[in-house]
Amino acid sequence: ETGVTQTPRHLVMGMTNKKSLKCEQHLGHNAMYWYKQSAKKPLELMFVYSLEERVENNSVPSRFSPECPNSSHLFLHLHTLQPEDSALYLCASSQHSGNTIYFGEGSWLTVV
Amino acid sequence: DAKTTQPNSMESNEEEPVHLPCNHSTISGTDYIHWYRQLPSQGPEYVIHGLTSNVNNRMASLAIAEDRKSSTLILHRATLRDAAVYYCILRVGFGGSNYKLTFGKGTLLTVNP
Repeated sequence: ETGVTQTPRHLVMGMTNKKSLKCEQHLGHNAMYWYKQSAKKPLELMFVYSLEERVENNSVPSRFSPECPNSSHLFLHLHTLQPEDSALYLCASSQHSGNTIYFGEGSWLTVV
Repeated sequence: DAKTTQPNSMESNEEEPVHLPCNHSTISGTDYIHWYRQLPSQGPEYVIHGLTSNVNNRMASLAIAEDRKSSTLILHRATLRDAAVYYCILRVGFGGSNYKLTFGKGTLLTVNP
């Protein structure tokens, strides 16, 4: 238990569906992150929110839409995804100037 | 971003020490050296970090070269639960007080019983 909870753990969606991944942290942190991990590829940083503002967007396609309503919650809204978007999506949190990032266990996404 | 170079894989025997090397020749003076590991089917977890001096914690030790261009993560007695991918990462600033970690491919550590 890392203090970062992701739901759902597994999601299968069609290319025309709209779904959302949810992340909640119970650590009192003020920065949150979305990472993507595809098979046999390094983790890719997608988005960074610091003090509830998006401060990094690593050229992520618009079919991925993040939302950070408060410092404890982070969402990743998904629509019209492609099969190549199938991956493990990891949420993480930290203090915005802190030294340690805490990851959740991830959400396994399969796009069919 | 400053990059790190690690061996793709290493093998160890249970109860023996493991030394995982990392090269980071383009490190800047303010970059912290971080190590994370990722067990199968889990998110990465923090192991240790340091700036200039060697560091010890309950999980591991971190030995940093005097010129900071390389470092070594030391697991003093490997167990089967230490089998994971180990990532050596430089924590770099990208604006204000914000920092980010850019993961490479890491080293897959196999521990033999």
